Amino acid sequence: SQTIHQWPATLVQPVGSPLSLECTVEGTSNPNLYWYRQAAGRGLQLLFYSVGIGQISSEVPQNLSASRPQDRQFILSSKKLLLSDSGFYLCAWSKGENTEAFFGQGTRLTVV
Amino acid sequence: GESVGLHLPTLSVQEGDNSIINCAYSNSASDYFIWYKQESGKGPQFIIDIRSNMDKRQGQRVTVLLNKTVKHLSLQIAATQPGDSAVYFCAENNNNNDMRFGAGTRLTVKP
Repeated sequence: SQTIHQWPATLVQPVGSPLSLECTVEGTSNPNLYWYRQAAGRGLQLLFYSVGIGQISSEVPQNLSASRPQDRQFILSSKKLLLSDSGFYLCAWSKGENTEAFFGQGTRLTVV
Repeated sequence: GESVGLHLPTLSVQEGDNSIINCAYSNSASDYFIWYKQESGKGPQFIIDIRSNMDKRQGQRVTVLLNKTVKHLSLQIAATQPGDSAVYFCAENNNNNDMRFGAGTRLTVKP
């Protein structure tokens, strides 16, 4: 069966520090991968998605970036965090277009 | 489209009643829709999906209705239980590889 792992679960980082959130999927190959951000009490904002290794589509211009160094690994990064980067970050995967997405448990990031 | 800047609308129902959660989507080209349930501090979980060639689909205690004419999607939960309390999101996909979420609705079930 397929599983998705996302870590860490919580993270407190100072303003201006770098960020690296990692997501890995097991039990499937060539998945679509997604990063979403969710502010407290609000909806999900699509940040990046990837249909293959090295292929990243960015939805929102900001100081975040994503990379897919391996087929089932998706990394969300920042060189310098802003206070506004605080939120709940969710990684997800799907088998392709027009299929359901499966979510990780999320990382709650607080920038102080 | 995405409504990530809005506070979540809320729906409060009595235990045992039926719940109806609504969602409006903006892209008439969208042809696949999903309802997700998100409990506090967790990632969203799949509930039910529907493709644009259907207008109704039923699952266990849940029914999704799709009205393409007015671009409206609804989720009906029968005999709502306290465990149904969560935030519910609709999502749309239009043959692209991205998936867009609606603003979400917070469902509270009163005992």
